[in-house]
Amino acid sequence: GIQVEQSPPDLILQEGANSTLRCNFSDSVNNLQWFHQNPWGQLINLFYIPSGTKQNGRLSATTVATERYSLLYISSSQTTDSGVYFCASRTQGGSEKLVFGKGTKLTVNP
Amino acid sequence: EAQVTQNPRYLITVTGKKLTVTCSQNMNHEYMSWYRQDPGLGLRQIYYSMNVEVTDKGDVPEGYKVSRKEKRNFPLILESPSPNQTSLYFCASRSTGGFGTIYFGEGSWLTVV
Repeated sequence: GIQVEQSPPDLILQEGANSTLRCNFSDSVNNLQWFHQNPWGQLINLFYIPSGTKQNGRLSATTVATERYSLLYISSSQTTDSGVYFCASRTQGGSEKLVFGKGTKLTVNP
Repeated sequence: EAQVTQNPRYLITVTGKKLTVTCSQNMNHEYMSWYRQDPGLGLRQIYYSMNVEVTDKGDVPEGYKVSRKEKRNFPLILESPSPNQTSLYFCASRSTGGFGTIYFGEGSWLTVV
């Protein structure tokens, strides 16, 4: 099945810094999503990005499906960006479950 | 506003006392699913449903039941909860048309003592 690997596992930033999170996947996918899990446990959709680039405020994401990776960019980070960032891809057919990476834990210090 | 609503959000219960975690979505989605999240194990699928009256097991179905009598609702039932079912639970839904975004509920923190 699909395997999803994320890097780095942990990231500590000062407020205002920029960062790039990476997601590699083992097989071709066409339904990659990025999520942010906040400190209260809520999973928040960031991007549905099977290919190309999308931007939403200070966040943007790029997926290069042919090279099997996706990047999440966070610019001018804020303390509210802290939490765990997951990428996930859906299996085809059957349960169509999401396969999650192990996440990148981001801590933004004031 | 597109929403997946779970209740209760927080619950502490005792071993063996039946409980139900409700899940409701307002997007007319066909597909709904339950996940549990545990430290070191990530998110794992419990059950899923492709449409009304159609349910199937995910990766970790033992100790759980589900039903899908209406399109909007997909309750998760723990008939006899045990401490190893202490976890953070998520309900999710999406449309089966195309490759749409999946939406998650806010999560339900369940502790079984």
